[in-house]
Order: sequence, then C-alpha cells, then structure tokens
Amino acid sequence: DVKVTQSSRYLVKRTGEKVFLECVQDMDHENMFWYRQDPGLGLRLIYFSYDVKMKEKGDIPEGYSVSREKKERFSLILESASTNQTSMYLCASRVSGTATANYGYTFGSGTRLTVV
Amino acid sequence: KNEVEQSPQNLTAQEGEFITINCSYSVGISALHWLQQHPGGGIVSLFMLSSGKKKHGRLIATINIQEKHSSLHITASHPRDSAVYICAVIPDKLIFGTGTRLQVFP
Repeated sequence: DVKVTQSSRYLVKRTGEKVFLECVQDMDHENMFWYRQDPGLGLRLIYFSYDVKMKEKGDIPEGYSVSREKKERFSLILESASTNQTSMYLCASRVSGTATANYGYTFGSGTRLTVV
Repeated sequence: KNEVEQSPQNLTAQEGEFITINCSYSVGISALHWLQQHPGGGIVSLFMLSSGKKKHGRLIATINIQEKHSSLHITASHPRDSAVYICAVIPDKLIFGTGTRLQVFP
C-alpha cells in the first residue's frame, strides 16, 4: 500500500524552539507539499518541492523553511516556533506529468502541532 | 470570493438517508479531488476525476466541467460516514474548498 508518512501525530513545543516536521513517501513521487489547516481558513500551501533540492514558496511561507535532500523526504522547519504556528500540518505528494491519471495526490495523516 | 465553494457547510442526516455535497469552482481545472477527513485524522482521497462520474461502494462523484460543478453523493448513509468532506481542484496546484462537516446519526 502506497504511503505518505508523517513522523509525529501530535507534537508540543515551546515558543522559540526549532521544530522539524518530517514527511516520507514511498511512491517515488517528484512533487511534495506542506499545508497547514486552520478552522475557518481551510488548507493553505506553505511550501512545495518538485525535485530534490528544489523548493518553491506557497501562499504562506513566512516563518517556515523546507529541506529536500532526498527524493522521498520533505522536511518542514520552523526556525523559531511561535504560538500562531499552532496548527494541523499535512504533507502530500504526487507524481509529476501532464496525463490526467498522474494528477492524483496522496496525503499523510497529519501532525497536530501545539506551540506553548 | 473563494475560488472553490462548497455547500452546505454543515450537514446532519439520519442513518440511511441519501446525501449530496456540492462543489463549485471558478478556475479552469484539469481534475478535481474529493477528500475525506475524520476528526483528528489525516486526509484520504476518495476520488480524483476530470469528467463524468465515478462510483466506489456507496459513494458517487460527478463532475460537469462546462458548468464548473461537482457533486459527491452518499447512498444509505451510516454514522461512520461522519467526517469533513473537502473538494479540491487542480489548475496547477491544489485549491481547497473549506469543507462540509457531515454528521450521520443512528
């Protein structure tokens, strides 16, 4: 069964800490994405990567950075966590290509981060 | 105005009822996802479709590209169908609707 795995389901961190959220996929997908989900705002794109060592800002990149050293792993980094980064974080991946059948996304189970 | 609008925002039903959730969008797309999210859980893709209709068990999804509209139907609803259902469209990257919260009571 193909998977996107996020390393933690629940995480509690202190303000100012450096936080790493890890995402691993086993489908050899080129594209990987990080979203955050907040009540009333839905899912918003933070960063995405279309290849190893490549990254692009999404709609809300401020306060975040990412790392893609290997194809299967995409890390989201909070350099100095703040309380307004308390949220549900979701990772997704998909294969690249223009054929319709290739456009499907696979999502992880989410990491609920609380910054205190 | 959001590029992807879902209705209704909240829906309650009795077990066994037929349920319809609607999604309208304003951008050109190549495909559309219907996603399911259980409380505290991750997101599961139910369907990805670009035309016509797809069926999986008690779930049916339809899309009309010309009218920029899609519907998700659940036949013979069950309490385990209680979840948030999210429509997401793909122009180049995913654009999400804000979701429909469904509660099915026994």
